[in-house]
Amino acid sequence: SAVISQKPSRDICQRGTSLTIQCQVDSQVTMMFWYRQQPGQSLTLIATANQGSEATYESGFVIDKFPISRPNLTFSTLTVSNMSPEDSSIYLCSVSRDRRSPLHFGNGTRLTVT
Amino acid sequence: AQKITQTQPGMFVQEKEAVTLDCTYDTSDPSYGLFWYKQPSSGEMIFLIYQGSYDQQNATEGRYSLNFQKARKSANLVISASQLGDSAMYFCAMREGRVGSNYKLTFGKGTLLTVNP
Repeated sequence: SAVISQKPSRDICQRGTSLTIQCQVDSQVTMMFWYRQQPGQSLTLIATANQGSEATYESGFVIDKFPISRPNLTFSTLTVSNMSPEDSSIYLCSVSRDRRSPLHFGNGTRLTVT
Repeated sequence: AQKITQTQPGMFVQEKEAVTLDCTYDTSDPSYGLFWYKQPSSGEMIFLIYQGSYDQQNATEGRYSLNFQKARKSANLVISASQLGDSAMYFCAMREGRVGSNYKLTFGKGTLLTVNP
């Protein structure tokens, strides 16, 4: 399975600031996704990071708030913009090689907004 | 409507006993995949087992097996011989196979399993 490095592992940020989370995979992967896990909740898909084009966002998530880049098949970033305490969550990068393969997850970024 | 339903917020089991975690799903796609993940308190997501909609046999992976009942749209996870280290949150997830969908997974709300010594 792919090795996924996600940075930072945790951060405490002030309201109104932005944080960029990086996701590096040790091999080329077809699909890369960003999920959010709010405290005590399940995983919710934010967007699919598309290589060389704009990300595909799920309902309730917009590019201005969560801009995503994916310059190549092994790297992506998610920015959480103009943060508020409601953005305090774990953000998870995940990848998949094909339709029958599971998603593999990074260790997540635990974000606290004060 | 929810696509993945896990009706058990919490489950308790005695060490060395078997436990079944329930999962029902809703899709009109004939091709789909079902996944189970374990999330211990450390937060990492650990893939456990996969079942494809066209797979003839129930999936098994060590102590994990998937009780797949297609007509009832259920995909329950069975953990045999529970161990203390099995205490964690368990998520059921589905990937739909319709044209135009990507490889994303939709997750259920999860079941918190506690294994008692």
